[in-house]
Amino acid sequence: GAVVSQHPSWVICKSGTSVKIECRSLDFQATTMFWYRQFPKQSLMLMATSNEGSKATYEQGVEKDKFLINHASLTLSTLTVTSAHPEDSSFYICSASRQAGVGEQYFGPGTRLTVT
Amino acid sequence: AQSVTQPDIHITVSEGASLELRCNYSYGATPYLFWYVQSPGQGLQLLLKYFSGDTLVQGIKGFEAEFKRSQSSFNLRKPSVHWSDAAEYFCAVGAGTNAGKSTFGDGTTLTVKP
Repeated sequence: GAVVSQHPSWVICKSGTSVKIECRSLDFQATTMFWYRQFPKQSLMLMATSNEGSKATYEQGVEKDKFLINHASLTLSTLTVTSAHPEDSSFYICSASRQAGVGEQYFGPGTRLTVT
Repeated sequence: AQSVTQPDIHITVSEGASLELRCNYSYGATPYLFWYVQSPGQGLQLLLKYFSGDTLVQGIKGFEAEFKRSQSSFNLRKPSVHWSDAAEYFCAVGAGTNAGKSTFGDGTTLTVKP
């Protein structure tokens, strides 16, 4: 159990367009979902934390108007990269936690975004 | 704020040899510690975690880690490495009541020689 999926696994878009990435917990209800960004050969950078039905909490330096996060249900969170630019190209990973307080995160396989 | 240091950027071991990946953390209270493995182009898989209790933690794939409060360390070990263990390994520390607000180390790349 505790499977998290992401869709799409990779996407190429033109500069100025928007891209939506979905994160789903397939066999459990996720109290909290997290979005990370990972640059090549680097660690994960937490972008935001989202709880179902409430606004996401963004980390310092992350533009909330550019990276729109919606957590509409206990099994789905979406990240929309608006007006994408080449510098937004990265590997985006989501994770989900099924309990409040300290617990494990279950990670999705990631989405490779390339903006041309 | 918590922080994690993985001193070794890259480690190479021979298949069958033992492995130890180092992790040092900084956190004011009792930490919640994790080790994850990431294969190329993939998300992260939890190897093991420490919340409390026995300081020697067993994980999946034959890995174990030992929490040493006096040294602020949580090193990952495996007695005999397999070629399939080649991957990126991340140590993370979780902050108290917020499960996922973990801080990750920069990772250690493991290469396994035949």
